[in-house]
Amino acid sequence: SAVISQKPSRDICQRGTSLTIQCQVDSQVTMMFWYRQQPGQSLTLIATANQGSEATYESGFVIDKFPISRPNLTFSTLTVSNMSPEDSSIYLCSAASRGGPAYEQYFGPGTRLTVT
Amino acid sequence: AQTVTQSQPEMSVQEAETVTLSCTYDTSESDYYLFWYKQPPSRQMILVIRQEAYKQQNATENRFSVNFQKAAKSFSLKISDSQLGDAAMYFCAYRFNNDMRFGAGTRLTVKP
Repeated sequence: SAVISQKPSRDICQRGTSLTIQCQVDSQVTMMFWYRQQPGQSLTLIATANQGSEATYESGFVIDKFPISRPNLTFSTLTVSNMSPEDSSIYLCSAASRGGPAYEQYFGPGTRLTVT
Repeated sequence: AQTVTQSQPEMSVQEAETVTLSCTYDTSESDYYLFWYKQPPSRQMILVIRQEAYKQQNATENRFSVNFQKAAKSFSLKISDSQLGDAAMYFCAYRFNNDMRFGAGTRLTVKP
């Protein structure tokens, strides 16, 4: 199993600023992902964080707005740039290690972001 | 594109009773994986149960079991002997390769 921590757990930011969210996994993992979840809503995949290369973004998400880093097998960051109130959401980090095709995907506790 | 549908935004159950949460999905693939995740108010997503599409036998984990109907593309979750700690949002998820898609969720309330 993997335990995932995120920093910060919550933040209130002013529009136009940027926030970087950190994700730390307690073991080496093959894959890391970033999701966005509106309160009471489902999870939407933002991107897959690739170690040593550019992240793979889903439709509707771009690198300029959500730059992602993954310097090693246990750590990743997501930056929400030039924030607007529409970016207010919960951001979840997720990780998985290939241990067979039905591998389990673990989730962090999320970062609640409010943009004023 | 694969989609996951949970048609019950909210469900409630009496403590110790049984409840079934519905999930349907749309895919043209034959080899995929299905999951139910629980998200309590703490926001921590917890895997409840998983099912490999190539297995005909329904998965069970203690009080949790699924009814997997591959032809109907249906994957319901049954919770037996419901407990207060089962109250949470439940998300059905489909994964093919590394692409995981989630349903909109069902909020389960457990009444004492």
